[in-house]
Amino acid sequence: GAGVSQSPSNKVTEKGKDVELRCDPISGHTALYWYRQSLGQGLEFLIYFQGNSAPDKSGLPSDRFSAERTGGSVSTLTIQRTQQEDSAVYLCASTPMRAGALGETQYFGPGTRLLVL
Amino acid sequence: ELKVEQNPLFLSMQEGKNYTIYCNYSTTSDRLYWYRQDPGKSLESLFVLLSNGAVKQEGRLMASLDTKARLSTLHITAAVHDLSATYFCAVNFGNEKLTFGTGTRLTIIP
Repeated sequence: GAGVSQSPSNKVTEKGKDVELRCDPISGHTALYWYRQSLGQGLEFLIYFQGNSAPDKSGLPSDRFSAERTGGSVSTLTIQRTQQEDSAVYLCASTPMRAGALGETQYFGPGTRLLVL
Repeated sequence: ELKVEQNPLFLSMQEGKNYTIYCNYSTTSDRLYWYRQDPGKSLESLFVLLSNGAVKQEGRLMASLDTKARLSTLHITAAVHDLSATYFCAVNFGNEKLTFGTGTRLTIIP
C-alpha cells in the first residue's frame, strides 16, 4: 500500500516568510510524528499526534512552530517568520498504535527539504 | 537526560569484512530500533528489538539488544557495496517519540 507522503519535497523561502509543510500518513495509522534532520543537530523530535490531539509538543523549538492534524489523518507543520536556522529536512512518520501492541516501528515519509535564504 | 550514543560516527570497511556498530543509551528502555538512510532519502526501518536478548537478522545484518547493559549492536557480516548508507539507532524511552543516535556513516570499499 501507499506509504507516508509529504509535500512539497523541496521548499526555498526567504527569511521572514511563513511556510506550511504537509504530511499524509499511512491510511489507518493513528499516531503521527514530526522530526527535523539538520547537519548540526541530527534527528530531533518536534511533535507527536495521537488522533487529532498532540500529547507531546515538547520538541517544537519556538512559538514560531505549530502543527495541527485534522480528521485523524493529514497533518500540517507551519513555521512562521522563518529564520535561516530553520533550514533542515522535515520528516513525518506514522505508526498504527494498535491497542496493546507496543513497540511498532515508525514509518517515515520522504521528507521536505526546507532552505531559508 | 535521555541520550543515545552511537559509535563509530564514520566507518570505512573493505568488502568481505565484518564489523559492528554500537548503540548505547542513557536509561531503561526495551524498545530499540535500527534504521537505514541512503543519501538524500528517508529512513527505512531495519529492525525492531523489544526485549532483553532479542536478536534479529536480515541478510548480512544482525541486531541485538542487551537491556541490562543499555547496549544494542548492529553486526555486518561479509560487507558488500550496497550496504553503504548511514545507520541510525533510535530508542523509545516510554514517551512514544524516538530519540535518535548520531548515526554511523558506513562506506564499503571494493
